[in-house]
Amino acid sequence: GQSLEQPSEVTAVEGAIVQINCTYQTSGFYGLSWYQQHDGGAPTFLSYNALDGLEETGRFSSFLSRSDSYGYLLLQELQMKDSASYFCAVRSSTGFQKLVFGTGTRLLVSP
Amino acid sequence: GAVVSQHPSRVICKSGTSVKIECRSLDFQATTMFWYRQFPKQSLMLMATSNEGSKATYEQGVEKDKFLINHASLTLSTLTVTSAHPEDSSFYICSARGTSGHYEQYFGPGTRLTVT
Repeated sequence: GQSLEQPSEVTAVEGAIVQINCTYQTSGFYGLSWYQQHDGGAPTFLSYNALDGLEETGRFSSFLSRSDSYGYLLLQELQMKDSASYFCAVRSSTGFQKLVFGTGTRLLVSP
Repeated sequence: GAVVSQHPSRVICKSGTSVKIECRSLDFQATTMFWYRQFPKQSLMLMATSNEGSKATYEQGVEKDKFLINHASLTLSTLTVTSAHPEDSSFYICSARGTSGHYEQYFGPGTRLTVT
C-alpha cells in the first residue's frame, strides 16, 4: 500500500518562510509532486521531484530524499493568498502510475 | 496549458436518484482519466482509473456497481453515482493524463454533490 503523512496545519505570518514536510511509504515510487488547493477549488500543480535534491520555482522550492522517503515544500516570502491546503503526492511506478495524495497540510498566513 | 472541464459544477439530488458527472479534456486527448473524491477538510482519495475503451480499475473499498465509470472517448469520461445517499455527498474531482508519454495529470474544477 501507500501512505503519505503531512502535518495537518501550519501557521505563519506574511513575509515569513514555512516548510511543509511529507514522509511517504509506497510500493513503488516514481516521483513526488506538490499541489496547492484553495477551498472549493481544484488542486493546482506546484512542483515535481523525481531525483534527490532541491527544485526551485520562484517563491516555492521542493526537496526530495529518496533514501529517507522524505520531501518538503518550502514557501518563501509568504503572502496572504498562499493560505490554502498543500498536498504531496506520489506517482506510483506500478499500474497506471496513478497519483496518490498525502493527508494534506492547511497553511494559514496571517498579516 | 491543458484544460479539463467538469459538468455540472454543483448538483443537488434526492436520496435514491442517480447523478452523472462529466469530465472532458478540452485541448488534448486523454488516454487515462482518474476520479477522486474529497470530503471536507480531507485529502483527495482516488476512486478509480479509467482508460479509453476499457473497464475502469477501482481502488479497494470503492463499489464499482455504485460508482459507474465510462471512458467512451479520448476526451470524455463520466462518473455516475447510482442510488445516491447523503453519505455520497462530496467533492468529486477528475483528472486526465495525455497521450504524449508525459505523466502530468491535469485536474478538473470539481463537482460538488449534495444528496438530500
